Amino acid sequence: DAKTTQPNSMESNEEEPVHLPCNHSTISGTDYIHWYRQLPSQGPEYVIHGLTSNVNNRMASLAIAEDRKSSTLILHRATLRDAAVYYCIYGNNDMRFGAGTRLTVKP
Amino acid sequence: DAGVTQSPTHLIKTRGQQVTLRCSPKSGHDTVSWYQQALGQGPQFIFQYYEEEERQRGNFPDRFSGHQFPNYSSELNVNALLLGDSALYLCASSLLVVLGGGAGETQYFGPGTRLLVL
Repeated sequence: DAKTTQPNSMESNEEEPVHLPCNHSTISGTDYIHWYRQLPSQGPEYVIHGLTSNVNNRMASLAIAEDRKSSTLILHRATLRDAAVYYCIYGNNDMRFGAGTRLTVKP
Repeated sequence: DAGVTQSPTHLIKTRGQQVTLRCSPKSGHDTVSWYQQALGQGPQFIFQYYEEEERQRGNFPDRFSGHQFPNYSSELNVNALLLGDSALYLCASSLLVVLGGGAGETQYFGPGTRLLVL
């Protein structure tokens, strides 16, 4: 059973920002939030992770709610190569993936 | 630096047979996790190995077993194959880091082995 809730699909236009939401209301105080994405015919790829503070890296930004019950992955300028299924997960040894959000990027 | 590698890339078996899948972790990683991904679904956690021991297990029957070798590589074995075992099998490696009560290790996934059971 997935422990996170994400929209099934989202669409974005190329070069525009994308905000991918995730609810994780049962997260414990020490669980990190991880985001992965999976391109067609590939294994999942690490995107970003965080604990409490917002995080930035070269791929994306992660905004974590103050109560940690939700988070948002931010792609600042979507490209066609960002079209993938995005998974939000948390946990220690058992990383439980849900169905993720399928992001479509339109040119 | 080679990432996570898996072999074989594709495999076809018949019901009742046994299969062994192999995984070499990313250099410097000591933990290997296995996942099953059915078509159109997210990966499902099978189990994780650390220090050659099964550390955590998901909701999979005993037909699924594994092993980790001293060089940290790992095998996934599935006995008495069923049609429903057809899936993409993913291996992920990480470096075990325990921070406080939780773990923040990032997992790096291999490309997977696609198993078809006929």
